[in-house]
Amino acid sequence: QKEVEQDPGPLSVPEGAIVSLNCTYSNSAFQYFMWYRQYSRKGPELLMYTYSSGNKEDGRFTAQVDKSSKYISLFIRDSQPSDSATYLCAMTPYNFNKFYFGSGTKLNVKP
Amino acid sequence: EPEVTQTPSHQVTQMGQEVILRCVPISNHLYFYWYRQILGQKVEFLVSFYNNEISEKSEIFDDQFSVERPDGSNFTLKIRSTKLEDSAMYFCASRPIIAGGTDEQFFGPGTRLTVL
Repeated sequence: QKEVEQDPGPLSVPEGAIVSLNCTYSNSAFQYFMWYRQYSRKGPELLMYTYSSGNKEDGRFTAQVDKSSKYISLFIRDSQPSDSATYLCAMTPYNFNKFYFGSGTKLNVKP
Repeated sequence: EPEVTQTPSHQVTQMGQEVILRCVPISNHLYFYWYRQILGQKVEFLVSFYNNEISEKSEIFDDQFSVERPDGSNFTLKIRSTKLEDSAMYFCASRPIIAGGTDEQFFGPGTRLTVL
C-alpha cells in the first residue's frame, strides 16, 4: 500500500465551480499536512498547511484533515482559470525529517 | 521576498559523469532537503540535512549520491556516476525551525538534469 494516495485526474471544471481535491494515507504517524500547487516545470508552492484534524480556511481555499479516516481534502471556492495547475498533497511526521507527497491532481478550470 | 535559488536551471551530462547541483537556501533557514521528480511522476524525497549532517535519506539516495554544505550559503547534491534513470527535475527546499510551532518548507525552481 502506498503511503499517500491521490487521484491524478485530470479534473476539468467550469470557472466559478467548487473544486474538491483529496488524498488518503496509511501512516498514522503523519502529523502535519500540506497542499502545494505546482505549475508545469516549476517548483511546488505551498498553499496551505494544517496540524492534526480540523479545518483551516485561507481566502478561497479550505484545507480539511480527518485523522480518524486518514483523509485530507482541499476545497477551492469560486475557481478561476488561474487555479489551473497540479495540486500536490504532502505530509510529514512530527520531526519533519521526511515529507511524503501524493502523485498530484491536475486541475483545469475552463473560462 | 527571500527565495530558494538553484543552479543551473538545466544540466545535460553523459552517462557515467559526475554532476553537482547547487542550491542557495533562504538565509535564516536551518533545515534543507533535496527531492526529485521524474517527468510526469510524483515528487520523491531524497534526503534531509540539518546541523551539517544527514537527518534522513530515502532508498533512492544510495552511495552514488552525496550532499554537502560547503559554506554558510550553498547546499549541494552530487551524483558521482550518473545513470539514464537519474534524468529528472531536482528540487531543493529549505525550512526555518520555529521552536514549538510548525513552519513551512520553501522550494526552489528546480534543476532539470538530462543524462544522455
